[in-house]
Amino acid sequence: GDSVTQMEGPVTLSEEAFLTINCTYTATGYPSLFWYVQYPGEGLQLLLKATKADDKGSNKGFEATYRKETTSFHLEKGSVQVSDSAVYFCALSDTGRRALTFGSGTRLQVQP
Amino acid sequence: EPEVTQTPSHQVTQMGQEVILRCVPISNHLYFYWYRQILGQKVEFLVSFYNNEISEKSEIFDDQFSVERPDGSNFTLKIRSTKLEDSAMYFCASSPLGTENTGELFFGEGSRLTVL
Repeated sequence: GDSVTQMEGPVTLSEEAFLTINCTYTATGYPSLFWYVQYPGEGLQLLLKATKADDKGSNKGFEATYRKETTSFHLEKGSVQVSDSAVYFCALSDTGRRALTFGSGTRLQVQP
Repeated sequence: EPEVTQTPSHQVTQMGQEVILRCVPISNHLYFYWYRQILGQKVEFLVSFYNNEISEKSEIFDDQFSVERPDGSNFTLKIRSTKLEDSAMYFCASSPLGTENTGELFFGEGSRLTVL
């Protein structure tokens, strides 16, 4: 079945540091890939997505590239801010499905 | 900005009791979902609902679970006889009609269920 594996947290960084959160997946079809973010006290929000191989999703300075050869979708940001502190979830939806398969989430803490 | 709202934010119940979790999806959305997250574990898909019927469900969604859209605005998840292992955060989500695999679900803040 489908699965998503992402690096365990928490990840603690200083402001303006470079961020990478690793995500790899297994899927039976041709999935679309997503990063969701959950800020404290809020629901999950879509951060970015990519629907086919080599697509790059980007939003709010975050980027992730759909790498079919390595089955990965790593999240990156060049310079994090305190306001980026949140839990980040990698997810996929496989061909013909609307249901999302999530990773376990990675908590990011950015210190001033 | 329209949002998905869930009630209650936290419910404590005794094992064996029935629980109903409520959700008000975004008004023009047509697909509705329930997910859950047991503490420290992954967010897991439970069920999706479209056109007044279940469109997909996971293995977790067994006979003790049911969903309903009783009045055209609320979307409810009922757990008939709660077990300790049902303790989790339950997330409701909705999405507009569109192509498959868009993945843009709009989530509520969650309802935390604690079964004692």
